[in-house]
Amino acid sequence: AQTVTQSQPEMSVQEAETVTLSCTYDTSESNYYLFWYKQPPSRQMILVIRQEAYKQQNATENRFSVNFQKAAKSFSLKISDSQLGDTAMYFCAFTYTGANSKLTFGKGITLSVRP
Amino acid sequence: DVKVTQSSRYLVKRTGEKVFLECVQDMDHENMFWYRQDPGLGLRLIYFSYDVKMKEKGDIPEGYSVSREKKERFSLILESASTNQTSMYLCASGIIPGQSPLHFGNGTRLTVT
Repeated sequence: AQTVTQSQPEMSVQEAETVTLSCTYDTSESNYYLFWYKQPPSRQMILVIRQEAYKQQNATENRFSVNFQKAAKSFSLKISDSQLGDTAMYFCAFTYTGANSKLTFGKGITLSVRP
Repeated sequence: DVKVTQSSRYLVKRTGEKVFLECVQDMDHENMFWYRQDPGLGLRLIYFSYDVKMKEKGDIPEGYSVSREKKERFSLILESASTNQTSMYLCASGIIPGQSPLHFGNGTRLTVT
């Protein structure tokens, strides 16, 4: 079974600063995908970034980047130049490749960006 | 844009009632999912379906059932609602999890009194 662990329940960052959200996972699979999803107060879950396990290069999407350490099973999200609109819950998620695979989520972290 | 629509944003039901939560997607996705979201517990998978009339139990299926008679619609059924089923319910759909992102509805906040 796969597990995803987000040990920090909440964090706060000053606007324009950089913040890193931590995530670890456990799996025996060799081919899998990792994700960060954002859930703002509107409740709409939005994909932030996606990492394929077989790619060594860390994924980036504008101000969002990941630090993927496969051996350590670590997948952290770095948000640069934080904006007020980044205030949300962030969920780390995992799925393996294969038929009928499903997405397993961590418990989430509440990020507050202070003006 | 993909749209996943959940029929109710807020719902209040009484203990023992049979409750239907409906989810419709407009992108012909094979896979559909029902998650439950609780503070401090994250999202937990209740049931998922990878084809019409097919269903698989997730991590917490007890007290729930599902129905998928048409590809675009996936219903979550609480046979006899209980107060411990008070929660946020999220529906999602996708092609192949991982290879493409899941698309989520806006959630139904269910209160069972």
